[in-house]
Amino acid sequence: GAGVSQSPSNKVTEKGKDVELRCDPISGHTALYWYRQRLGQGLEFLIYFQGNSAPDKSGLPSDRFSAERTGESVSTLTIQRTQQEDSAVYLCASSRPTGPSYEQYFGPGTRLTVT
Amino acid sequence: AQKVTQAQTEISVVEKEDVTLDCVYETRDTTYYLFWYKQPPSGELVFLIRRNSFDEQNEISGRYSWNFQKSTSSFNFTITASQVVDSAVYFCALSESYIIQGAQKLVFGQGTRLTINP
Repeated sequence: GAGVSQSPSNKVTEKGKDVELRCDPISGHTALYWYRQRLGQGLEFLIYFQGNSAPDKSGLPSDRFSAERTGESVSTLTIQRTQQEDSAVYLCASSRPTGPSYEQYFGPGTRLTVT
Repeated sequence: AQKVTQAQTEISVVEKEDVTLDCVYETRDTTYYLFWYKQPPSGELVFLIRRNSFDEQNEISGRYSWNFQKSTSSFNFTITASQVVDSAVYFCALSESYIIQGAQKLVFGQGTRLTINP
């Protein structure tokens, strides 16, 4: 079946502009996660959504970052007034609602470059 | 706070050698989960293994094996008879024990870049 998809695959933007990154999770996966991976670094948790529960936004680095999710499908991560330090690969993952694994399946990522 | 440390930033070996990737974690939880992911040059993370804190049995899957030692808070990964296709960045991760209806937030290590030379 189809995996997690993300768009665009690459995005170059000028400092100060807003960007939107999209994630389509695997059908039936109720949990959706966003992570950021800076060059040569590990993944940093940003936010996750689980069903109708309030999202866990504890990893968002500033109020310029926000995310929304429509039901149990598409999610959009928005970065306002982008800064050069926002340059990174933004990875989305989704997982099933039942255990025991709750394995997270990752998308290919969106590489964001802020010039 | 939870933390994962992968002290080896880069490892380079010749094909067919065995190689061990180290992972040390910190957590105050008594119940937690540990993971290994592989990130090949294509960039997409591939799940390799999940282990819960109550299961200290070592696991072997083909050329891959994992050694979980709670006493030293380590979850090391060994590749036997390495192959060029094993070249990738490998991440160790730890999840919170608190699961909200199936969601687990992962804390990742910095990754180890493994290069297998022919």
